[in-house]
Amino acid sequence: KNQVEQSPQSLIILEGKNCTLQCNYTVSPFSNLRWYKQDTGRGPVSLTIMTFSENTKSNGRYTATLDADTKQSSLHITASQLSDSASYICVVSSQAGTALIFGKGTTLSVSS
Amino acid sequence: DAGVIQSPRHEVTEMGQEVTLRCKPISGHNSLFWYRQTMMRGLELLIYFNNNVPIDDSGMPEDRFSAKMPNASFSTLKIQPSEPRDSAVYFCASSLRDTDNYGYTFGSGTRLTVV
Repeated sequence: KNQVEQSPQSLIILEGKNCTLQCNYTVSPFSNLRWYKQDTGRGPVSLTIMTFSENTKSNGRYTATLDADTKQSSLHITASQLSDSASYICVVSSQAGTALIFGKGTTLSVSS
Repeated sequence: DAGVIQSPRHEVTEMGQEVTLRCKPISGHNSLFWYRQTMMRGLELLIYFNNNVPIDDSGMPEDRFSAKMPNASFSTLKIQPSEPRDSAVYFCASSLRDTDNYGYTFGSGTRLTVV
């Protein structure tokens, strides 16, 4: 069964600190993996998208990694800010043109 | 581009009433998706359309739910009759199917409360 598992479920960090969120998937065949940020009361917004041949991609202070062999991805946030407080959702596409498979997300709280 | 536009943003209705949620996808996108999000289950795909044709509706909970896409710029999700357990945030998303779902964009959602 195609699944996407994320950990931790929630995380609290101090402003300025770094953190890493994890995503494991069992989706096959694999097409691409995305990380979304969802602020409270808003729709998810794409941060990064990686295909099979890419193992790292950055978007400002966000860096995503992908290991297609172990079917794992991580999202690293550097020098966290209060505005990083949100839910981060890992999403995998099984093949081009089909719907996406969502993880349940990691809720990040950044405190001052 | 205004992005994916959903209306209304909030809807409160009484059990048994009909509810219609609306979505306008990004112009030029040929795939449209309806999702439901709850705390317990996260984001769940309800149905998606390619070129206005429903492709997979296996996520639609039951016959009380129906979705239509009469043209490339408009879709509706209808619940009739509504029940309290339908309370959730409903998201619409659109994408360019032929480019491996690039440009996949969500609307801001409709928060539905059934009392």
